[in-house]
Amino acid sequence: DTAVSQTPKYLVTQMGNDKSIKCEQNLGHDTMYWYKQDSKKFLKIMFSYNNKELIINETVPNRFSPKSPDKAHLNLHINSLELGDSAVYFCASSPGQDTGELFFGEGSRLTVL
Amino acid sequence: GDSVTQMEGPVTLSEEAFLTINCTYTATGYPSLFWYVQYPGEGLQLLLKATKADDKGSNKGFEATYRKETTSFHLEKGSVQVSDSAVYFCALGGNEKLTFGTGTRLTIIP
Repeated sequence: DTAVSQTPKYLVTQMGNDKSIKCEQNLGHDTMYWYKQDSKKFLKIMFSYNNKELIINETVPNRFSPKSPDKAHLNLHINSLELGDSAVYFCASSPGQDTGELFFGEGSRLTVL
Repeated sequence: GDSVTQMEGPVTLSEEAFLTINCTYTATGYPSLFWYVQYPGEGLQLLLKATKADDKGSNKGFEATYRKETTSFHLEKGSVQVSDSAVYFCALGGNEKLTFGTGTRLTIIP
């Protein structure tokens, strides 16, 4: 059983489109995250949720909207995609907000043409 | 704000060589420190951690010691294997999030 699973794994789309990435964790964790990894492997946090409540929103354009229907799911919706949105997006979860022990999904590679 | 500075890569070593990947940090308070590893095509995995000064984290032959006096958390391994080829990230934890370094790509050649 995959602990943190993301879909889709690959996404190729045109500029201006809207797309979503889904994430689910079966670890029973309370906290979930979205990270963005650029082409140079730099990893930056975008959002974190604790028990469905938004905790961190790191100066991400409001075209990005996370949604947590329950504590096992954290989805990412992106409106009006731009070339600069091309990256690998990682979902992660952790038992609590301050443990630092994150469990990552395999990533979703988004390519905007 | 908190930040992590990692040794620039890429690093290429022969099998059985000694490995050091440098990591220094800037932080307020007393953060926990972590090393994560990312194998090709996969997400990051926690490799080891240390939660206070002088703690040593270790796993799979890798070690790192939390040095408060030099604000460092260098990763070491005595004898690397081809299977250690990956990207290694140093990270600092505190204030509800992890701050990652830029990653160091390690390639081990047989």
